[in-house]
Amino acid sequence: DTEVTQTPKHLVMGMTNKKSLKCEQHMGHRAMYWYKQKAKKPPELMFVYSYEKLSINESVPSRFSPECPNSSLLNLHLHALQPEDSALYLCASSQNSAGPAQETQYFGPGTRLLVL
Amino acid sequence: QKEVEQDPGPLSVPEGAIVSLNCTYSNSAFQYFMWYRQYSRKGPELLMYTYSSGNKEDGRFTAQVDKSSKYISLFIRDSQPSDSATYLCAMSPGTGTASKLTFGTGTRLQVTL
Repeated sequence: DTEVTQTPKHLVMGMTNKKSLKCEQHMGHRAMYWYKQKAKKPPELMFVYSYEKLSINESVPSRFSPECPNSSLLNLHLHALQPEDSALYLCASSQNSAGPAQETQYFGPGTRLLVL
Repeated sequence: QKEVEQDPGPLSVPEGAIVSLNCTYSNSAFQYFMWYRQYSRKGPELLMYTYSSGNKEDGRFTAQVDKSSKYISLFIRDSQPSDSATYLCAMSPGTGTASKLTFGTGTRLQVTL
């Protein structure tokens, strides 16, 4: 099973709201990723967690706050977002060890976020 | 110059055609190469991954890597309307830890009846 699940599928929020995106995988992967994707563009990396520790933050604004409660779960907490933050937010996971199979990332279906 | 270049298309072919999708890259450290298919408003789906130079075949799909030319290809045989999607190449240096994938911009493919 190579499934990464994400909830919710769609989210509409105002600029003063606080919301969270959730990602889950049960493949035993120890690396998890958040990406942001705008229309007709490739995914842009936001954060990487390796063994539940934040290992890469691609200079993402603090209104995005990631959390990795355990090796299967990854959250992205959203607060005071701007309309330009509207995008498809993708979660991915990988095994996090050496080798092409182990480093291959598997993506979830994404959460489509609209900020009004 | 971008690290990974990919023709954005759109590429339109008739059903049954052989499709060739390509990426070039500049970073010689890249070791692992992947192709993802992304349908509209969905997440990327892994199609194939390869390591270093050579070919890999899976059904109607063949991935080729030529590291000497810094060039990778995905061939789709007997293309079907269901193959209509955006195809993203991605690559990484293969450091053995969670590392950043570098994506091409994606090629939009339309297979017509």
